[in-house]
Amino acid sequence: GESVGLHLPTLSVQEGDNSIINCAYSNSASDYFIWYKQESGKGPQFIIDIRSNMDKRQGQRVTVLLNKTVKHLSLQIAATQPGDSAVYFCAENMGNTDKLIFGTGTRLQVFP
Amino acid sequence: EAEVAQSPRYKITEKSQAVAFWCDPISGHATLYWYRQILGQGPELLVQFQDESVVDDSQLPKDRFSAERLKGVDSTLKIQPAELGDSAMYLCASSFESTGDNEQFFGPGTRLTVL
Repeated sequence: GESVGLHLPTLSVQEGDNSIINCAYSNSASDYFIWYKQESGKGPQFIIDIRSNMDKRQGQRVTVLLNKTVKHLSLQIAATQPGDSAVYFCAENMGNTDKLIFGTGTRLQVFP
Repeated sequence: EAEVAQSPRYKITEKSQAVAFWCDPISGHATLYWYRQILGQGPELLVQFQDESVVDDSQLPKDRFSAERLKGVDSTLKIQPAELGDSAMYLCASSFESTGDNEQFFGPGTRLTVL
């Protein structure tokens, strides 16, 4: 079936470096994508979203890139901080429904 | 800041027992979702409400799971009887509208352990 997946289950970065978390999706009908951050013991927290008519969107220290040709989504975090340590999920919205399909997550570890 | 409330935060039960989880969405949010998250995986939608009506329960194991939102505000998810494989985090989320690009706000979840 359709799925959203992540290439790396764990990413370790040094504080101050930039982080890039990748995600592949397989449903070409998806037109809305979201990145969530989930800290231990908490629910997912919205970070940034992007619609399929865009290829880049920037927020505060975060940028999401969408490559529809290869069905790839990435989250870039600038100047990674210890507080960024969490599991990051990408999710896709399939067509004209509001059902979100989540990937399996990437754990980001930030070391000093 | 308005938040989605869930209780209890943790629940330990024995298999074959009944359990219930409660969720209070953000005030004014018409759409409410229940998700199940197995450790190390992303959340999976169990049921979606629009006001008091079920919009999608295609992934809800209806032989043992039930969900209700009688007055279109708070909601209860029940499992009876619980099985070992039900151990997971149960997340509730809400959104203002049920459009495809409407942000879903998640609660802290209920961690269920079935012994």
